[in-house]
Amino acid sequence: AQSVTQPDIHITVSEGASLELRCNYSYGATPYLFWYVQSPGQGLQLLLKYFSGDTLVQGIKGFEAEFKRSQSSFNLRKPSVHWSDAAEYFCAVQPGGYQKVTFGTGTKLQVIP
Amino acid sequence: GAVVSQHPSRVICKSGTSVKIECRSLDFQATTMFWYRQFPKQSLMLMATSNEGSKATYEQGVEKDKFLINHASLTLSTLTVTSAHPEDSSFYICSADGTGVTYNEQFFGPGTRLTVL
Repeated sequence: AQSVTQPDIHITVSEGASLELRCNYSYGATPYLFWYVQSPGQGLQLLLKYFSGDTLVQGIKGFEAEFKRSQSSFNLRKPSVHWSDAAEYFCAVQPGGYQKVTFGTGTKLQVIP
Repeated sequence: GAVVSQHPSRVICKSGTSVKIECRSLDFQATTMFWYRQFPKQSLMLMATSNEGSKATYEQGVEKDKFLINHASLTLSTLTVTSAHPEDSSFYICSADGTGVTYNEQFFGPGTRLTVL
């Protein structure tokens, strides 16, 4: 069964600083990979997804993620964080279409002025 | 496009009562919908997968008699929490498979906060 690890439970960055959120997955093949963001009390919003092809994926709100097969990682990055980026971020994996999505435990991002 | 709604957004009920939560795909048809539960400060845990016109598939450890799921149409799935107890208090989120809209993407509803007194 697939699993997802987000090693950082809580990250604090200064506004304007760069950000990297880590995600490692365990699965026999290359799964579909996703990053979602959740604001308090809200549902999930998809930031970006990777299925195949170019390993550097661009998403919304200035986020990007890089798939590294050798490291089984799919880290999320943003060059300059805004205060509005404070939220919880979830990495997720899916073996294939119509199959269940497994979420990581989430990383809570705090942005300080 | 590809909007999923949930109703109600928040519900408070007494212990022992049943609560129904609706999940609708507003502008697309979803043959598959998913129900998740999220406890405070925790991740989303899949409860069940719901396919239109057939019985839901429940994850291990989820009581099918307690969490009744009905997916009667291509745009509506319902989750009924029967005889709710305080430990059922949680944030319930549904998603709909929007493969017909965008390849292999699930669209999530805004969630329903259930509080059982």
